[in-house]
Amino acid sequence: QKEVEQNSGPLSVPEGAIASLNCTYSDRVSQSFFWYRQYSGKSPELIMSIYSNGDKEDGRFTAQLNKASQYVSLLIRDSQPSDSATYLCAVNMFNNNDMRFGAGTRLTVKP
Amino acid sequence: GAVVSQHPSRVICKSGTSVKIECRSLDFQATTMFWYRQFPKQSLMLMATSNEGSKATYEQGVEKDKFLINHASLTLSTLTVTSAHPEDSSFYICSARQGGVYTFGSGTRLTVV
Repeated sequence: QKEVEQNSGPLSVPEGAIASLNCTYSDRVSQSFFWYRQYSGKSPELIMSIYSNGDKEDGRFTAQLNKASQYVSLLIRDSQPSDSATYLCAVNMFNNNDMRFGAGTRLTVKP
Repeated sequence: GAVVSQHPSRVICKSGTSVKIECRSLDFQATTMFWYRQFPKQSLMLMATSNEGSKATYEQGVEKDKFLINHASLTLSTLTVTSAHPEDSSFYICSARQGGVYTFGSGTRLTVV
C-alpha cells in the first residue's frame, strides 16, 4: 500500500463548479496534512494545511480531514480555469521528519 | 512567509560531467532540508534529507556517491549530481521546513545530453 494515495485523474470540471480532490494515507498516526498546487514545470506551492479533524476553509478552498478514515480532501468552489493544475496531497509522517506526497491529481477547469 | 531560493533553474550538461544545485533559505535558518526528484507526469520522490553539520540521510535506492549532499550552513544545502547520465535528467526540487510548513525552492530542470 502506498503511503499517500490519490486518484491521478484527470479530473475535469466546468468553470464555476466545485472540484473535489481526495487523498488517503496509510500512517494512522500522521499529524500534518497539506495540499499543494503544482503548475506544469513549476515547483509546488502550498494551498492549505490542516491538522485537526473537520473542515478548514480559506477563500474558495476547503480542506477536510477525517483521521479515523485516514482521509483528507480538498474542495475548490467556483472553479476557475486558472485552477487547472496538478494537486498534490502531502502527509507529514509521524515517525519521519519529512513529507510524503501522493502522485497528484490533475485538474482541468474548462471555460 | 518563508522563502527558499534554488539555483540554477535550468542546466544542460554533457554526460559524465557533474552538476551542483544550490538551495538557500533566505529569511530563516533550516537545520534540515529535503531534496526531491520529479520525472515527467510523476509525483515528487524524496531523495534525501540534508542535515546541517552531519551526513545526509538517503532514501532507499538513491546512490549517495552519485548524489552528493552538503549542508555546511544553516541556510545552504547543495546537491551535486556526479557523473551525470541522460537517465538523471529530471526536475530536482529542494524544500525546507519552518514552523511545520514546508516551503519549496523553484526547482532545477536538469538535462543531460
